[in-house]
Amino acid sequence: DSGVTQTPKHLITATGQRVTLRCSPRSGDLSVYWYQQSLDQGLQFLIQYYNGEERAKGNILERFSAQQFPDLHSELNLSSLELGDSALYFCASSVGGEGEKLFFGSGTQLSVL
Amino acid sequence: EDQVTQSPEALRLQEGESSSLNCSYTVSGLRGLFWYRQDPGKGPEFLFTLYSAGEEKEKERLKATLTKKESFLHITAPKPEDSATYLCAVRVSGGFKTIFGAGTRLFVKA
Repeated sequence: DSGVTQTPKHLITATGQRVTLRCSPRSGDLSVYWYQQSLDQGLQFLIQYYNGEERAKGNILERFSAQQFPDLHSELNLSSLELGDSALYFCASSVGGEGEKLFFGSGTQLSVL
Repeated sequence: EDQVTQSPEALRLQEGESSSLNCSYTVSGLRGLFWYRQDPGKGPEFLFTLYSAGEEKEKERLKATLTKKESFLHITAPKPEDSATYLCAVRVSGGFKTIFGAGTRLFVKA
């Protein structure tokens, strides 16, 4: 158990809908990272937050947004969903903000029908 | 553009048959190279961090090495429980991104 909690584990929704994925980092970790994993794209970095502030941005679509709250949990919001957004979404956390050793949650499997 | 390439895509070994996985990288500035293990349906699990050419790290049957252009993950006398996808990642300077390779799927048969 990595100590990173992601909910829900599975999400099935329809095209055009909006969903929210939630992540609680390990106790003491200040950084949260979001990754998308699909069969053809591998693990793609979306965005990082450090102590409530956006730290780095990767290949995140404009339809997606994220935030980190004062209690350090994070949410990833996906809107106007398309079939191609179906993937496994991982949250990871680390103590600092330098992208060092990451601890991953077990992921949220999103299926857009 | 920063890039991480892993080979082979898949590797099938007999139990006890040693081999190596390759990770080659092209980055603007390396701030660390990481190896992770991922089991089906689970998140990646950290294995090693390497920072400079010539550095080596070992853990049980696994040994990671680093040169200026690539890293190897050597698996000695693998067991079926070593079957997993092994991911290589690099942390690049000038930003705070960790970029992952596509991974090598390892199958070890008893």
